[in-house]
Amino acid sequence: GAVVSQHPSWVICKSGTSVKIECRSLDFQATTMFWYRQFPKQSLMLMATSNEGSKATYEQGVEKDKFLINHASLTLSTLTVTSAHPEDSSFYICSANSGGADRDNEQFFGPGTRLTVL
Amino acid sequence: DAKTTQPPSMDCAEGRAANLPCNHSTISGNEYVYWYRQIHSQGPQYIIHGLKNNETNEMASLIITEDRKSSTLILPHATLRDTAVYYCIVLRNFNKFYFGSGTKLNVKP
Repeated sequence: GAVVSQHPSWVICKSGTSVKIECRSLDFQATTMFWYRQFPKQSLMLMATSNEGSKATYEQGVEKDKFLINHASLTLSTLTVTSAHPEDSSFYICSANSGGADRDNEQFFGPGTRLTVL
Repeated sequence: DAKTTQPPSMDCAEGRAANLPCNHSTISGNEYVYWYRQIHSQGPQYIIHGLKNNETNEMASLIITEDRKSSTLILPHATLRDTAVYYCIVLRNFNKFYFGSGTKLNVKP
Protein backbone atom coordinates (compact mmCIF):
# COMPACT_ATOMS: atom_id res chain seq x y z
CA GLY A 1 0.00 0.00 0.00
CA ALA A 2 0.82 3.71 0.19
CA VAL A 3 1.68 4.23 -3.45
CA VAL A 4 2.22 7.64 -4.98
CA SER A 5 2.34 8.11 -8.73
CA GLN A 6 3.46 10.99 -10.89
CA HIS A 7 2.60 11.87 -14.45
CA PRO A 8 4.36 12.35 -16.72
CA SER A 9 7.58 10.57 -15.79
CA TRP A 10 9.48 12.84 -18.13
CA VAL A 11 8.65 15.84 -20.29
CA ILE A 12 10.49 18.02 -22.77
CA CYS A 13 9.10 21.43 -23.56
CA LYS A 14 10.05 24.65 -25.29
CA SER A 15 11.10 27.71 -23.37
CA GLY A 16 8.14 29.92 -22.51
CA THR A 17 5.56 27.18 -22.32
CA SER A 18 3.85 25.86 -19.20
CA VAL A 19 4.05 22.30 -17.95
CA LYS A 20 1.71 20.54 -15.54
CA ILE A 21 2.85 17.64 -13.37
CA GLU A 22 0.35 15.45 -11.55
CA CYS A 23 0.87 13.68 -8.24
CA ARG A 24 -1.64 11.07 -7.12
CA SER A 25 -1.97 8.98 -3.99
CA LEU A 26 -3.33 5.69 -5.32
CA ASP A 27 -4.48 3.82 -2.25
CA PHE A 28 -4.82 6.37 0.51
CA GLN A 29 -6.09 9.86 1.09
CA ALA A 30 -3.33 12.43 1.33
CA THR A 31 -4.11 15.26 3.69
CA THR A 32 -0.82 16.92 2.82
CA MET A 33 1.32 16.76 -0.27
CA PHE A 34 4.81 18.14 -0.77
CA TRP A 35 6.74 19.16 -3.85
CA TYR A 36 10.52 18.91 -4.14
CA ARG A 37 13.05 19.81 -6.80
CA GLN A 38 16.34 18.03 -7.32
CA PHE A 39 19.17 19.21 -9.55
CA PRO A 40 21.79 16.72 -10.78
CA LYS A 41 24.03 15.38 -8.03
CA GLN A 42 22.27 17.48 -5.43
CA SER A 43 19.85 16.73 -2.65
CA LEU A 44 16.11 17.25 -2.67
CA MET A 45 14.94 20.77 -1.98
CA LEU A 46 11.48 21.31 -0.54
CA MET A 47 9.53 23.76 -2.68
CA ALA A 48 6.09 23.85 -1.15
CA THR A 49 3.52 22.17 1.06
CA SER A 50 -0.08 21.82 0.01
CA ASN A 51 -3.16 20.84 1.96
CA GLU A 52 -6.33 19.75 0.27
CA GLY A 53 -8.64 22.66 -0.37
CA SER A 54 -6.29 25.39 0.76
CA LYS A 55 -3.48 27.46 -0.68
CA ALA A 56 0.00 26.01 -0.81
CA THR A 57 2.72 27.19 1.51
CA TYR A 58 5.92 27.97 -0.36
CA GLU A 59 9.44 27.76 0.99
CA GLN A 60 11.55 30.87 1.04
CA GLY A 61 12.94 31.71 -2.36
CA VAL A 62 10.38 29.70 -4.33
CA GLU A 63 8.28 31.85 -6.67
CA LYS A 64 4.62 31.06 -6.09
CA ASP A 65 3.56 32.68 -9.36
CA LYS A 66 5.96 30.51 -11.30
CA PHE A 67 5.25 27.22 -9.57
CA LEU A 68 1.48 26.96 -9.28
CA ILE A 69 0.25 24.24 -6.96
CA ASN A 70 -3.31 22.96 -6.79
CA HIS A 71 -4.46 20.34 -4.29
CA ALA A 72 -8.08 19.96 -5.35
CA SER A 73 -8.76 16.55 -3.82
CA LEU A 74 -7.35 14.20 -1.22
CA THR A 75 -5.71 12.11 -3.92
CA LEU A 76 -4.43 14.66 -6.42
CA SER A 77 -2.03 17.58 -6.39
CA THR A 78 -0.67 19.33 -9.46
CA LEU A 79 2.40 21.46 -10.00
CA THR A 80 2.40 23.80 -12.99
CA VAL A 81 5.69 25.31 -14.06
CA THR A 82 4.65 28.49 -15.84
CA SER A 83 6.70 30.12 -18.58
CA ALA A 84 9.38 27.49 -18.20
CA HIS A 85 13.00 28.35 -18.93
CA PRO A 86 16.07 26.12 -19.26
CA GLU A 87 17.06 26.82 -15.65
CA ASP A 88 13.79 25.17 -14.56
CA SER A 89 15.03 21.88 -15.96
CA SER A 90 15.16 19.56 -13.01
CA PHE A 91 13.80 16.41 -11.36
CA TYR A 92 10.51 17.21 -9.64
CA ILE A 93 9.35 14.84 -6.91
CA CYS A 94 6.15 14.85 -4.91
CA SER A 95 5.33 13.13 -1.67
CA ALA A 96 2.17 12.57 0.32
CA ASN A 97 1.36 12.26 3.98
CA SER A 98 -1.63 10.20 4.99
CA GLY A 99 -1.93 11.59 8.47
CA GLY A 100 -2.82 8.15 9.80
CA ALA A 101 -2.40 7.04 13.38
CA ASP A 102 0.65 4.90 12.79
CA ARG A 103 3.79 6.48 11.34
CA ASP A 104 1.57 9.42 10.60
CA ASN A 105 4.42 11.70 9.61
CA GLU A 106 5.87 9.32 7.09
CA GLN A 107 5.98 10.70 3.60
CA PHE A 108 5.44 8.45 0.60
CA PHE A 109 7.34 9.64 -2.43
CA GLY A 110 6.43 9.51 -6.07
CA PRO A 111 8.88 8.29 -8.71
CA GLY A 112 9.66 11.81 -9.92
CA THR A 113 9.21 13.75 -13.14
CA ARG A 114 12.19 14.84 -15.18
CA LEU A 115 11.58 18.18 -16.86
CA THR A 116 13.82 19.38 -19.66
CA VAL A 117 13.23 22.86 -21.05
CA LEU A 118 14.83 23.58 -24.39
CA ASP B 1 18.30 23.98 7.17
CA ALA B 2 18.76 20.25 7.29
CA LYS B 3 19.97 19.99 10.90
CA THR B 4 21.85 16.80 10.06
CA THR B 5 25.44 15.94 9.13
CA GLN B 6 26.42 12.79 7.27
CA PRO B 7 29.64 11.61 5.62
CA PRO B 8 29.44 12.18 1.87
CA SER B 9 30.29 8.59 0.94
CA MET B 10 31.00 5.14 2.35
CA ASP B 11 32.03 1.79 0.95
CA CYS B 12 30.81 -1.57 2.13
CA ALA B 13 31.56 -5.11 1.03
CA GLU B 14 28.62 -7.16 -0.15
CA GLY B 15 27.25 -9.35 2.63
CA ARG B 16 28.75 -7.24 5.38
CA ALA B 17 26.91 -4.84 7.65
CA ALA B 18 26.75 -1.23 6.55
CA ASN B 19 26.76 1.30 9.37
CA LEU B 20 25.77 4.79 8.33
CA PRO B 21 26.21 7.55 10.91
CA CYS B 22 24.28 10.77 11.26
CA ASN B 23 24.84 13.72 13.54
CA HIS B 24 21.82 15.74 14.65
CA SER B 25 23.17 17.57 17.66
CA THR B 26 20.49 20.29 17.63
CA ILE B 27 17.56 17.90 17.67
CA SER B 28 14.67 18.78 19.96
CA GLY B 29 13.03 16.41 22.39
CA ASN B 30 9.97 15.66 20.27
CA GLU B 31 11.60 15.54 16.85
CA TYR B 32 11.78 12.21 15.09
CA VAL B 33 14.74 10.92 13.09
CA TYR B 34 13.80 9.46 9.71
CA TRP B 35 15.95 7.56 7.24
CA TYR B 36 15.22 7.37 3.54
CA ARG B 37 17.28 6.22 0.61
CA GLN B 38 17.28 7.23 -3.03
CA ILE B 39 18.40 4.99 -5.81
CA HIS B 40 19.51 6.86 -8.90
CA SER B 41 16.72 8.82 -10.61
CA GLN B 42 13.98 7.43 -8.39
CA GLY B 43 11.89 8.86 -5.56
CA PRO B 44 13.16 8.39 -2.00
CA GLN B 45 12.21 5.17 -0.25
CA TYR B 46 11.33 5.02 3.44
CA ILE B 47 13.61 2.86 5.57
CA ILE B 48 12.96 3.45 9.24
CA HIS B 49 12.32 6.12 11.85
CA GLY B 50 12.63 6.56 15.61
CA LEU B 51 12.37 8.96 18.50
CA LYS B 52 14.35 7.62 21.46
CA ASN B 53 14.45 3.86 21.38
CA ASN B 54 16.34 1.70 18.96
CA GLU B 55 14.17 0.41 16.14
CA THR B 56 14.35 -2.56 13.82
CA ASN B 57 12.34 -3.60 10.82
CA GLU B 58 12.75 -5.90 7.86
CA MET B 59 15.11 -3.49 6.13
CA ALA B 60 17.35 -2.08 8.81
CA SER B 61 18.05 -1.17 12.40
CA LEU B 62 18.25 2.31 13.84
CA ILE B 63 20.42 3.02 16.83
CA ILE B 64 19.86 6.38 18.53
CA THR B 65 22.29 7.55 21.19
CA GLU B 66 20.96 8.24 24.64
CA ASP B 67 21.43 12.00 24.24
CA ARG B 68 19.75 11.74 20.80
CA LYS B 69 22.46 13.83 19.20
CA SER B 70 23.40 11.14 16.74
CA SER B 71 22.14 7.94 15.23
CA THR B 72 23.35 5.04 13.10
CA LEU B 73 21.48 3.20 10.41
CA ILE B 74 22.52 -0.43 10.12
CA LEU B 75 21.92 -2.55 7.04
CA PRO B 76 22.78 -6.00 8.43
CA HIS B 77 23.75 -7.73 5.20
CA ALA B 78 24.33 -5.23 2.43
CA THR B 79 23.65 -6.26 -1.15
CA LEU B 80 24.54 -4.57 -4.41
CA ARG B 81 20.95 -3.32 -4.60
CA ASP B 82 21.53 -1.32 -1.43
CA THR B 83 23.83 1.03 -3.34
CA ALA B 84 22.07 4.38 -2.99
CA VAL B 85 22.17 7.77 -1.32
CA TYR B 86 20.96 7.50 2.27
CA TYR B 87 19.36 10.50 3.91
CA CYS B 88 18.99 11.10 7.61
CA ILE B 89 16.23 13.64 8.28
CA VAL B 90 15.01 15.32 11.42
CA LEU B 91 11.30 15.95 11.14
CA ARG B 92 10.50 19.56 11.77
CA ASN B 93 7.20 21.28 12.41
CA PHE B 94 4.28 20.72 10.06
CA ASN B 95 5.65 17.40 8.87
CA LYS B 96 8.23 19.01 6.62
CA PHE B 97 11.33 17.11 5.52
CA TYR B 98 14.47 19.11 4.85
CA PHE B 99 16.99 16.86 3.17
CA GLY B 100 20.69 17.18 3.84
CA SER B 101 23.34 16.04 1.43
CA GLY B 102 23.14 12.38 2.46
CA THR B 103 25.67 9.55 2.28
CA LYS B 104 26.39 7.75 -0.95
CA LEU B 105 26.75 4.09 0.00
CA ASN B 106 28.72 2.00 -2.46
CA VAL B 107 28.27 -1.73 -1.94
CA LYS B 108 31.05 -3.60 -3.65
CA PRO B 109 31.20 -7.28 -4.61
